[in-house]
Amino acid sequence: DTGVSQNPRHKITKRGQNVTFRCDPISEHNRLYWYRQTLGQGPEFLTYFQNEAQLEKSRLLSDRFSAERPKGSFSTLEIQRTEQGDSAMYLCASSPGKERGYTFGSGTRLTVV
Amino acid sequence: AQTVTQSQPEMSVQEAETVTLSCTYDTSESDYYLFWYKQPPSRQMILVIRQEAYKQQNATENRFSVNFQKAAKSFSLKISDSQLGDAAMYFCAYRRRAGANSKLTFGKGITLSVRP
Repeated sequence: DTGVSQNPRHKITKRGQNVTFRCDPISEHNRLYWYRQTLGQGPEFLTYFQNEAQLEKSRLLSDRFSAERPKGSFSTLEIQRTEQGDSAMYLCASSPGKERGYTFGSGTRLTVV
Repeated sequence: AQTVTQSQPEMSVQEAETVTLSCTYDTSESDYYLFWYKQPPSRQMILVIRQEAYKQQNATENRFSVNFQKAAKSFSLKISDSQLGDAAMYFCAYRRRAGANSKLTFGKGITLSVRP
């Protein structure tokens, strides 16, 4: 097991375009989290899956954002009609249970120009 | 809502010396977890140490230890015998124990540099 994998590592897109990021968690982890980290700030919670069910979404997750986790395996985070304010590092983390710690991926850095 | 505050944006320490990173938090919960995470320039967040609020004993992990003051809502990290590899951003984080979600609330972080 190589940990939590995120692709792509970097993405540059023009304003108004759609982008999709992928996260492959550790295989036995049923919990998956997405966070957003802007420069000089700590990560902020976006959304949480337990298996395939999306159980919580932050108010930060506007209607331009959608996340899925089909079959409780990998997850995708899509941003439609990107804006410059969406430029950030998007972090994925997985966990085997509520009382257990997270394993973070290396993140996807999005730059909207 | 819970908040985590790290008021020092940067700190510097001489190699082999000891440094303390400060963190305060605010919550109305009585049962929760506190964490320190390290984020090296490669950007992957790594757990350094974890403290359960119901435990009075401060957590230690090798060169890393915490000073947990529940009444003061303070949670500082002490790094002993600092090494060049300790240079990174350090984030203090909070997680409530109750409820199904175990999302973390992070502070803004502190950049630690280690002088050779």
